[in-house]
Amino acid sequence: KAGVTQTPRYLIKTRGQQVTLSCSPISGHRSVSWYQQTPGQGLQFLFEYFSETQRNKGNFPGRFSGRQFSNSRSEMNVSTLELGDSALYLCASSLDVPGQNSPLHFGNGTRLTVT
Amino acid sequence: GESVGLHLPTLSVQEGDNSIINCAYSNSASDYFIWYKQESGKGPQFIIDIRSNMDKRQGQRVTVLLNKTVKHLSLQIAATQPGDSAVYFCAESAGNQFYFGTGTSLTVIP
Repeated sequence: KAGVTQTPRYLIKTRGQQVTLSCSPISGHRSVSWYQQTPGQGLQFLFEYFSETQRNKGNFPGRFSGRQFSNSRSEMNVSTLELGDSALYLCASSLDVPGQNSPLHFGNGTRLTVT
Repeated sequence: GESVGLHLPTLSVQEGDNSIINCAYSNSASDYFIWYKQESGKGPQFIIDIRSNMDKRQGQRVTVLLNKTVKHLSLQIAATQPGDSAVYFCAESAGNQFYFGTGTSLTVIP
């Protein structure tokens, strides 16, 4: 069974631009979560989608948004990029509600650099 | 918010020795815990999980211990190998979201 796939692996953008990241979950997994990872900050939760609905959201500004499609694939968008948005963005899928005995399975992330 | 912390940011062990990575959590309602391993350039990889109705669980070369009284979680790696060098995260959940620690960097000395 294929793992979580994230594209692209690397992105370089300039301040003010917007970016879209893509995630394909493990087949059969209906929940997709997004995390931001920066040095020293650990993993910061962005949002979680299940059956095309955002069920949970972290403490990030409205510039960060996401969506999930009927095939469970998900995208996240960051508008008006800032230097501080440079990070590794990780997508994770799970069979059901994350945390209710349903572990997260991560992709290898998209490394975003904002210049 | 939740607080999941690690006692040591770095750990160096000799190849063949056993490694112990510790994690403290703050939410007494947390009932599901996972250890992840993250190698350079990769996403976190699931190692082992444990539910709050257990205090020990074993996998291949790994053991997770849960002490709910002091809200402490540990990961033991037996016969540590160079391939075990990575950052290890603990994660806790009390329901619908995981909270992660900042990680412990394990270096295995050949």
